[in-house]
Amino acid sequence: QVQLVQSGAEVKKPGASVKVSCKPSGYTFTNYDLNWVRQAAGQGLDWMGWMNPNTGDTGYAQKFQGRLTMTRDTSISTAYLELSSLRSEDTAVYYCVRGGGIISRPQFNYFDYWGLGTLVTVSS
Amino acid sequence: SYELTQPPSVSVSPGQTASITCSGDKLGHGFASWYQQKPGQSPILVIYQDRKRPSGIPERFSGSNSGDTATLTISGTQPLDEADYYCQAWDSSTAHYVFGAGTKVTVL
Repeated sequence: QVQLVQSGAEVKKPGASVKVSCKPSGYTFTNYDLNWVRQAAGQGLDWMGWMNPNTGDTGYAQKFQGRLTMTRDTSISTAYLELSSLRSEDTAVYYCVRGGGIISRPQFNYFDYWGLGTLVTVSS
Repeated sequence: SYELTQPPSVSVSPGQTASITCSGDKLGHGFASWYQQKPGQSPILVIYQDRKRPSGIPERFSGSNSGDTATLTISGTQPLDEADYYCQAWDSSTAHYVFGAGTKVTVL
């Protein structure tokens, strides 16, 4: 069965960076887009960006441009999200999410498998 | 920026039908998806490409898209359907996915 296993909770100081990993299993890593979605406590879902694990192509939400980097290591079938210049408003659960449908065709895609989430806390 | 508008809350009696709307003027240009999220859990996909149900999602969940409004309908609502529901779409003009703010469904 499809699973997306994420790294553990992180506590960071303002201004620092955080790197969260996501290791999918149960399907071919390079066949589906991966997305990152975050959710602050008591708030809604906030899409951050997508990546084609085959080509490394990425697309980021405008609000994160310049602070967000999505990468992957195909040799270990693992994707990474790195967010820099952290501020308290970045405190949230970060979800790794598979893009079901057609790779790199986001207009046809949907988020069919979600990781359990990684809590990132930004506090001085 | 493109927005999807959902009602903050919907209340329904057990066994009745709950309808959750999602309004956006570009919904007719693409597909809508719907997600269910219970407290402390990751969201799960309940409807994709406007009206398709993933394997394992009960038939009481259905979806439609009229062009500027997508609707999630829960027929014969059960207490276990109590959750937050989010709609989602792709905005091709910005190359962003967009989520609605979510609707809390309460089964009274």
